[in-house]
Amino acid sequence: DAKTTQPTSMDCAEGRAANLPCNHSTISGNEYVYWYRQIHSQGPQYIIHGLKNNETNEMASLIITEDRKSSTLILPHATLRDTAVYYCIVRTFTGTASKLTFGTGTRLQVTL
Amino acid sequence: KAGVTQTPRYLIKTRGQQVTLSCSPISGHRSVSWYQQTPGQGLQFLFEYFSETQRNKGNFPGRFSGRQFSNSRSEMNVSTLELGDSALYLCASSPGTQNYGYTFGSGTRLTVV
Repeated sequence: DAKTTQPTSMDCAEGRAANLPCNHSTISGNEYVYWYRQIHSQGPQYIIHGLKNNETNEMASLIITEDRKSSTLILPHATLRDTAVYYCIVRTFTGTASKLTFGTGTRLQVTL
Repeated sequence: KAGVTQTPRYLIKTRGQQVTLSCSPISGHRSVSWYQQTPGQGLQFLFEYFSETQRNKGNFPGRFSGRQFSNSRSEMNVSTLELGDSALYLCASSPGTQNYGYTFGSGTRLTVV
């Protein structure tokens, strides 16, 4: 399974952009990069996913390098409610079966 | 649109007992996956069901089992509970095709005493 590497923790001032990096150097050509976040041991919340093109939705932007070995999740204007653990995940497929392999994630602390 | 519903939210069991957890996926979703979350091991994949068939399984002992019904609702069962089975058990549903994300429920917090 492709592994991901993320910083253990990051801080961000409220209102500023939060840029969360992720390395996934062993990713295969058909594997997607997913980002989830988890707040206070609730269920993980889906943020965004992509294959090779940059993606944007109402929550965040995902920038994937051309060689697909790393990506960055961007929260354009972080708020206190964005404080959470952010997981970068490679979705692996075996035939039609798939699973999410979670790493340890990045604990993002947004401060005033 | 209703989200993923897991019941019960909290559960306390004694070592050696068995437990059944339930998950109702989002309407129309045919894939249900189960994950275990502990402070020591983080989030770990248990198994995935699609159209009543288990199509993927994680590295857990046979005491952990599951099933899916024709309405896509799923149950997981843990027999002969051990203290180490204390965890947050999360269910995630998906349409089942490749380019869709999973939606997680709020989980069932199981405590084994």
